[in-house]
Amino acid sequence: DSGVTQTPKHLITATGQRVTLRCSPRSGDLSVYWYQQSLDQGLQFLIQYYNGEERAKGNILERFSAQQFPDLHSELNLSSLELGDSALYFCASSPRRISYEQYFGPGTRLTVT
Amino acid sequence: QKEVEQDPGPLSVPEGAIVSLNCTYSNSAFQYFMWYRQYSRKGPELLMYTYSSGNKEDGRFTAQVDKSSKYISLFIRDSQPSDSATYLCAMRTNNAGNMLTFGGGTRLMVKP
Repeated sequence: DSGVTQTPKHLITATGQRVTLRCSPRSGDLSVYWYQQSLDQGLQFLIQYYNGEERAKGNILERFSAQQFPDLHSELNLSSLELGDSALYFCASSPRRISYEQYFGPGTRLTVT
Repeated sequence: QKEVEQDPGPLSVPEGAIVSLNCTYSNSAFQYFMWYRQYSRKGPELLMYTYSSGNKEDGRFTAQVDKSSKYISLFIRDSQPSDSATYLCAMRTNNAGNMLTFGGGTRLMVKP
């Protein structure tokens, strides 16, 4: 158990809908990362927050947004969902802004029908 | 072409075998190299971390980086059925903050 928690574990929704995925980092970790894992694209970095501020952005769609709250938990918002957004979404955390260690949560499996 | 290439496998070996897992990459700016292990329905967990070229050993695991060839390897000695998982290489540059670029993963099956 990495100490990173994610909710919900599974989410099934329809195209065009909006969902929110939640992540609680390990105690004391200030950085939170979001990744998308799909069969065809593999594990792709989406975005990083450090102590409430956005620090790095990857291939994140404009329909997706994230934030990190003062208590350091983070939410990933996915809107206007498409079938292709079906994937595993992982949150990871690390103690510092730049750290070779990232601790991954168990993931949220999103299915868009 | 992806920045980091990894044979998806599956790679099937008998228990006790030496396993070699590899990644090639195209971005010469990558300086930090990591191997993650991902069990089915779980998040990836960090196995090994190497900076620049060279070897690093940790128990049954050895990571090698050859920057001149843009090639990294993970060796597993005395493989065990519990090593059956997907192995992902990951790398980052000095300038991309903490953004990791992952390979597609190699699925390993160790048969008793």
